[in-house]
Amino acid sequence: SQELEQSPQSLIVQEGKNLTINCTSSKTLYGLYWYKQKYGEGLIFLMMLQKGGEEKSHEKITAKLDEKKQQSSLHITASQPSHAGIYLCGADMAGTASKLTFGTGTRLQVTL
Amino acid sequence: SQTIHQWPATLVQPVGSPLSLECTVEGTSNPNLYWYRQAAGRGLQLLFYSVGIGQISSEVPQNLSASRPQDRQFILSSKKLLLSDSGFYLCAWSGGNWATYEQYFGPGTRLTVT
Repeated sequence: SQELEQSPQSLIVQEGKNLTINCTSSKTLYGLYWYKQKYGEGLIFLMMLQKGGEEKSHEKITAKLDEKKQQSSLHITASQPSHAGIYLCGADMAGTASKLTFGTGTRLQVTL
Repeated sequence: SQTIHQWPATLVQPVGSPLSLECTVEGTSNPNLYWYRQAAGRGLQLLFYSVGIGQISSEVPQNLSASRPQDRQFILSSKKLLLSDSGFYLCAWSGGNWATYEQYFGPGTRLTVT
C-alpha cells in the first residue's frame, strides 16, 4: 500500500462549487507540500505546511495540516476552470527536508 | 529569480539506445537537485538526488545513472534504454542560498522508448 494516499483520485465539479482533496499518511509528517500540475508540464508549488493545526491560504485555495500531522486537506472555494489540473501532495516523512514522498495525485476537472 | 531548465522537452528513442537528459538551475547556488520519473497513472518516483557536486544518491536500482558535473547542472543517463524507461522525467531543486524547503520543478522531458 502507498505510504501517502490521496483521495479522491479524480473529481469533476461545476464551476463555482467548493471541493476538498485529502492526503493521508501512514507516518507522522515533518512537512507537507501541495503542488498543482497541468498535463504534460512540471509541478507548480502551492503551499507548505509544517506545524500541527497549521492552515495556509492563497487566493481561493486553503490547505490544512491536522494536529496529529498525518493528514492534510486542500480546499478550493468557488472553483474556476483555471483550477483544473492534477493536485499532488508531497510529504517529508524522514525529517530531512530534502526527500519527499508523493501521492498519486487527484485529477480535477471544472465544468462550466 | 530562480529558474530551472530541462531539455529536451520530448524524446523518442529505440530500445537499447543511450540516453542523456540535462537539467540546469539559474539564480541560486549549491541547490539540492532531484530527478523524478512520473509514469502514466502513477505518482512521482524519486530516482536520484544530489546535495553537491559529485554527490549522488540513488533511490531505485535501475539501468539509469545521474551525474552532477557542475553546481547547477544535473544529468540523467542510461547506456541502454528499456521499454520500461518510458515516462515523464522531472528535475527539481530545493535549498540553495535561498534555503527553501520546498522543491521547484522544471518543465519535464517526455521520453518514449520504442
